Amino acid sequence: AQSVTQLDSQVPVFEEAPVELRCNYSSSVSVYLFWYVQYPNQGLQLLLKYLSGSTLVKGINGFEAEFNKSQTSFHLRKPSVHISDTAEYFCAVTTLGGGFKTIFGAGTRLFVKA
Amino acid sequence: GAVVSQHPSWVICKSGTSVKIECRSLDFQATTMFWYRQFPKQSLMLMATSNEGSKATYEQGVEKDKFLINHASLTLSTLTVTSAHPEDSSFYICSASPAGGGYEQYFGPGTRLTVT
Repeated sequence: AQSVTQLDSQVPVFEEAPVELRCNYSSSVSVYLFWYVQYPNQGLQLLLKYLSGSTLVKGINGFEAEFNKSQTSFHLRKPSVHISDTAEYFCAVTTLGGGFKTIFGAGTRLFVKA
Repeated sequence: GAVVSQHPSWVICKSGTSVKIECRSLDFQATTMFWYRQFPKQSLMLMATSNEGSKATYEQGVEKDKFLINHASLTLSTLTVTSAHPEDSSFYICSASPAGGGYEQYFGPGTRLTVT
């Protein structure tokens, strides 16, 4: 079975500061990794994904994430956040064995303060 | 591009009645669609996976006779909550994965169901 752990339920940060949202996963099979963002009163949007190749992936809005296989992590980072980045961020793991299935982490609420 | 719509956005129904929620991929074909429930301030819980033209695969603990899923075409999936009860009140979200894509999902805006 697969699982996803987002280590921080809430992350308050000041505007223009860097931020890292942590995600660890466990799986006995190969995985594809995703970060999604949910802005207030909106649906989830894809931020970035890792399928294969370079372990550092860049996404929209200046976000990037690094896949670390040995630590089974896929942390999300942004060097300088804006007020508009305030949202809920979900890490997700997709596996194909036994069917296309995605498990989501519990989410991390990023709150950017002025 | 990659827009998914859901209809209705919110619905109130009486206990014992059935409600149908539609999920459409507007500008792409989706071989696989997913249905989730999201509880307040919680993550998404996968209910079922549907592939066009075949029966849906339900997650453990999800009653397939209560939550009927039909994936009639590459752009439309429906979820029917049958004989709804107040405990079925929730936020239901669908997503679609493009055919030949990279396994990302595009999400609908969700449907708020309230059963009275």
